[in-house]
Amino acid sequence: DVKVTQSSRYLVKRTGEKVFLECVQDMDHENMFWYRQDPGLGLRLIYFSYDVKMKEKGDIPEGYSVSREKKERFSLILESASTNQTSMYLCASEGQGGNGYTFGSGTRLTVV
Amino acid sequence: QKEVEQDPGPLSVPEGAIVSLNCTYSNSAFQYFMWYRQYSRKGPELLMYTYSSGNKEDGRFTAQVDKSSKYISLFIRDSQPSDSATYLCALTDSWGKLQFGAGTQVVVTP
Repeated sequence: DVKVTQSSRYLVKRTGEKVFLECVQDMDHENMFWYRQDPGLGLRLIYFSYDVKMKEKGDIPEGYSVSREKKERFSLILESASTNQTSMYLCASEGQGGNGYTFGSGTRLTVV
Repeated sequence: QKEVEQDPGPLSVPEGAIVSLNCTYSNSAFQYFMWYRQYSRKGPELLMYTYSSGNKEDGRFTAQVDKSSKYISLFIRDSQPSDSATYLCALTDSWGKLQFGAGTQVVVTP
């Protein structure tokens, strides 16, 4: 089974802090994604990557950046955390042939 | 207007009943249709995947796609309390990215 691991389940950070959310997948998938999930808004795509060192903006990239230095790892960076970035963050990966995404368990981030 | 519309619920049914979930979409270019199940405090997991109009069955689950009406459904037969979760429809656009519905919360009461 494909496994997508997110480094933290719960995180509390202060406003203005730089925050790193890590995601690692173990099935050599090319495609990786970062979403945030909020009640009533569903999943919204922040950034995605189809290859190492490659990144594309999703629907809500403002306030975020990403890094993909290795194929298995895709990091989401909040340059200066704000309270409106309090959310559940979900990482997903997908192989080249499609067939759906595999999600991690999520990181619930609270910015105070 | 959102590209994928899904009633958020909650939908409460007694154990053993049929659960019926629906999504509508506006973009006829959507090619692949999926249903994900998400338990509380967990990430979504892929439940059903289809790319053509018609029905697809997997155990107690049936996915139905009507491309002409831009309408997809998921039916859960003989529902169990363990089916209580949020169900999200997801459609792949022409760029290969998934567009998700907001999710419907389902509660199956014993």
